[in-house]
Amino acid sequence: AQSVTQLGSHVSVSEGALVLLRCNYSSSVPPYLFWYVQYPNQGLQLLLKYTSAATLVKGINGFEAEFKKSETSFHLTKPSAHMSDAAEYFCAVSESLGNEKLTFGTGTRLTIIP
Amino acid sequence: SAVISQKPSRDICQRGTSLTIQCQVDSQVTMMFWYRQQPGQSLTLIATANQGSEATYESGFVIDKFPISRPNLTFSTLTVSNMSPEDSSIYLCSVGGEEPQHFGDGTRLSIL
Repeated sequence: AQSVTQLGSHVSVSEGALVLLRCNYSSSVPPYLFWYVQYPNQGLQLLLKYTSAATLVKGINGFEAEFKKSETSFHLTKPSAHMSDAAEYFCAVSESLGNEKLTFGTGTRLTIIP
Repeated sequence: SAVISQKPSRDICQRGTSLTIQCQVDSQVTMMFWYRQQPGQSLTLIATANQGSEATYESGFVIDKFPISRPNLTFSTLTVSNMSPEDSSIYLCSVGGEEPQHFGDGTRLSIL
């Protein structure tokens, strides 16, 4: 079985500050890991994915995440927050790139302070 | 990536009725998934829908409550049957395969 834990249901950062959203996973097989973003009244948009090709993954909108097997973590970061980054962020784990179910964390709501 | 259209985008329904949600994709896809997002919560997989076979349901979800059709490689429907207020959620379809799952905008359903 797979699971995801996202620490911090709400995170607030000042505009221009570092964004750090935490994700820890549990998986009995090599995991595929994903970060999705959900803006109000919209579906989920893929930010980035880890597929074992590289431990540091760069995504859209300046986000990146680092896979750390020893810590079973896949934290999401962005060097400088922008007002448009305010949204709900979900970390997810799967046994394949796109053919198996996604198991989601509980989400982190990111608020940007002007 | 595939463009996914979900209909309706939102609806308000009376308890005891049923609603069918449509998911249309602009290209042929093998895997389609249906998720539920209850208010303020994360997404939970309801079922996986492959063309030409019965949908595979996750624990806690049954076909009588959430019947799914997958008549071809570009279309699927999810019906929420005999609705109660607890069914008020966002229902999202996604498509998978060789790429990460890509989601539609969801159907926001409220039950009175």
